[in-house]
Amino acid sequence: DIQMTQSPPSLSASLGDKVTITCQTSQNINKYIAWYQQKPGKAPRLLIGFTSRLVSGIPSRFSGSGSGRDYSFSISNVESEDIASYYCLQYDNSPNTFGAGTKLELK
Amino acid sequence: QVQLQQSGAELAKPGSSVKISCKASGYTFTSYYISWIKQTTGQGLEYIGYINTGSGGTNYNEKFKGKATLTVDKSSSTAFMQLSSLTPDDSAVYYCARDLPPYDVMDAWGQGASVTVSS
Repeated sequence: DIQMTQSPPSLSASLGDKVTITCQTSQNINKYIAWYQQKPGKAPRLLIGFTSRLVSGIPSRFSGSGSGRDYSFSISNVESEDIASYYCLQYDNSPNTFGAGTKLELK
Repeated sequence: QVQLQQSGAELAKPGSSVKISCKASGYTFTSYYISWIKQTTGQGLEYIGYINTGSGGTNYNEKFKGKATLTVDKSSSTAFMQLSSLTPDDSAVYYCARDLPPYDVMDAWGQGASVTVSS
């Protein structure tokens, strides 16, 4: 199985900050990485697919980039509604595997 | 709009089985697969496998072979996952999600079904 090393495990930010989360994979995943947001008691919500494709209706302050084994996800101008956990997912290789998550908190 | 409605919380005894349902609406059911995901505090998110809602074909994560059985009822646009020989390690929230492998991503998720295994 492809291993996903997501960092940092937690992040503290002020409103308006830019934050970045990274995922490193154990092998090349050909950009087949997605990013999800999860709030307590709720299901994960897809934000970005195929490295950088923003899902319809998702604000443009969310973005993704990367290639090969190294990928990143950013939120520019953090808003209070962005306080949540974020997960990366690779879907290049079966079985799909997830990162361990990053919990974003307000400073 | 696309919705996946899962069945409610389950409390089960060790050694028993549970069957969780996932009813789809708002799209053509057989145009997408249904995947299942396990979430625990300790292990995070784990991919269980998927079912081709048209053919009934399945693909399981090796870790969940023998534990999970995926089925589908096209007439009611509902997918099911049965978990057998339950142990406390099976206590988790289980999600279904709309999927289209291999190169599309899980884009809509059910609300989750909590399974608690306890004597």
